Amino acid sequence: QKEVEQNSGPLSVPEGAIASLNCTYSDRVSQSFFWYRQYSGKSPELIMSIYSNGDKEDGRFTAQLNKASQYVSLLIRDSQPSDSATYLCAAGGFKTIFGAGTRLFVKA
Amino acid sequence: KAGVTQTPRYLIKTRGQQVTLSCSPISGHRSVSWYQQTPGQGLQFLFEYFSETQRNKGNFPGRFSGRQFSNSRSEMNVSTLELGDSALYLCASSSDASFQETQYFGPGTRLLVL
Repeated sequence: QKEVEQNSGPLSVPEGAIASLNCTYSDRVSQSFFWYRQYSGKSPELIMSIYSNGDKEDGRFTAQLNKASQYVSLLIRDSQPSDSATYLCAAGGFKTIFGAGTRLFVKA
Repeated sequence: KAGVTQTPRYLIKTRGQQVTLSCSPISGHRSVSWYQQTPGQGLQFLFEYFSETQRNKGNFPGRFSGRQFSNSRSEMNVSTLELGDSALYLCASSSDASFQETQYFGPGTRLLVL
C-alpha cells in the first residue's frame, strides 16, 4: 500500500513564527509533490508544487524535497492567524496519494 | 478561466436510495478525479477518468461508479446508500492524464445519508 504520512497535529505556533510541516512518502516512483491548504468546510486549494530536489520558494512559503529520503516539507514564514488550516501533502505518480493532513493553529 | 464546478453542493438522502453527483472540470482539462473525504479517513481516491475512460480506481465497493462525457464533464453515482457514505465528495481536474500535473479541486458536494 503506497502511503503518504503526515503528523496529524495539531501544530500550534505563535503569530510571526515559522511553521514547519513534514511529510514522507513510500512510493519511490512518485515524481511530483503538492501541498494543499484546506480550511474547515472548504475544498483543498493548491499552495505549492515541487518536482525537483531542493527548495522552492513562493512568497512566505518554501517547499523542500529530498527524494533520497522520500521526504517533503513546507515552511511557512511569518505565520498569520489566517494560515490556520489543515495542510495536505500529496505525491503524484500513477495516481495521486494524499496524506491525512496536518492541522495548523497560528495563535494571535 | 472558470474553476471546477460541482452540483449539487448539498444533498440529503436516506439509506437505500441512490445519488448522482456532477462535476464540470476547468475548460481544457480532460482528467477528472473523484475523492471522498470524511473526518476519520481523510481524502480517499475513488476513481479517475480521462477522455471518457476510467483509468484508475480506488478501493471502494461497486456501489460507487462514475462516467465521463465527451465534453469532459463527469458524474459519479452511489447506489444503495449507507450511513457511512455521508461525506464530502470532491472532484478535481487536471490538464492531462499524468498525475504529475496539479489537480484543482471543486467546492465539493456534501452528502448526508439518514
